[in-house]
Amino acid sequence: DAGVTQTPRHEVAEKGQTIILKCEPVSGHNDLFWYRQTKIQGLELLSYFRSKSLMEDGGAFKDRFKAEMLNSSFSTLKIQPTEPKDSAVYLCASSLSSNSYEQYFGPGTRLTVL
Amino acid sequence: QQQVRQSPQSLTVWEGETAILNCSYENSAFDYFPWYQQFPGEGPALLISILSVSDKKEDGRFTIFFNKREKKLSLHIADSQPGDSATYFCAARANYGNEKITFGAGTKLTIKP
Repeated sequence: DAGVTQTPRHEVAEKGQTIILKCEPVSGHNDLFWYRQTKIQGLELLSYFRSKSLMEDGGAFKDRFKAEMLNSSFSTLKIQPTEPKDSAVYLCASSLSSNSYEQYFGPGTRLTVL
Repeated sequence: QQQVRQSPQSLTVWEGETAILNCSYENSAFDYFPWYQQFPGEGPALLISILSVSDKKEDGRFTIFFNKREKKLSLHIADSQPGDSATYFCAARANYGNEKITFGAGTKLTIKP
C-alpha cells in the first residue's frame, strides 16, 4: 500500500506569492490533517478533515492558509500571500477513521519564503 | 499553554545503553499516548503507543512506562543503536471523540557508537 504522498518535496517562494501544497492520503483513510513543523513551535495543527468535511481550520492560521479536500484522495493547502515566517516543513497525515488512533505522515514539503 | 511537555530537549547516550525520554501532560482527559519517531527529511512515524488503562507497554527494545496519577510517562530504549538516533515525539489524545493529537516539542536523541 502506498503511504501518504506529498508534493512538491521542496518549494522556494518569493514573499507575496501564492503557493499550493498537495497531499494524497493513504487509500481508504477518512481523516486528513495538515501540520506545520518548525524547530521553535514544533508540530502545529493547521487543518483537519473528516470524510472531506473541514473539522478544524487552524485558528490563528485562518487568514492566509486555506486547506481543501477536493475528493477523498486529494487535498491541497494554499498559502496566500506567503511571508518569510511561513518557512517551515508542512506535513500531511491521514488516519483510517475516527475509531483509529494512528496517524500516518507523509514526508513533508519544505517551504522556504525569501 | 503546552499540554504535553517533553524532557530533555536533547539526549546523547552511548551505544548499548538505555535511553530514557520523559513526557508529562496536563489534560486528565488524555487516554491515548503514542510516541512518534522522526528521522531527518521524513515525516514522523508511530513507534509505540499506550492507553491509559495500562502502566507498561513493551515492543522489542522499546518500553513505555505510564503513571496516570502523576500524569507522566517515559519511553525507554534498551540496548540503543546508532540507528535509533532520531527525534522522538510524545503525543496525547483525549477520550471524548476528538481525533486531534497534541504533540510535545520532541527529544532529539543521539546514539554514539
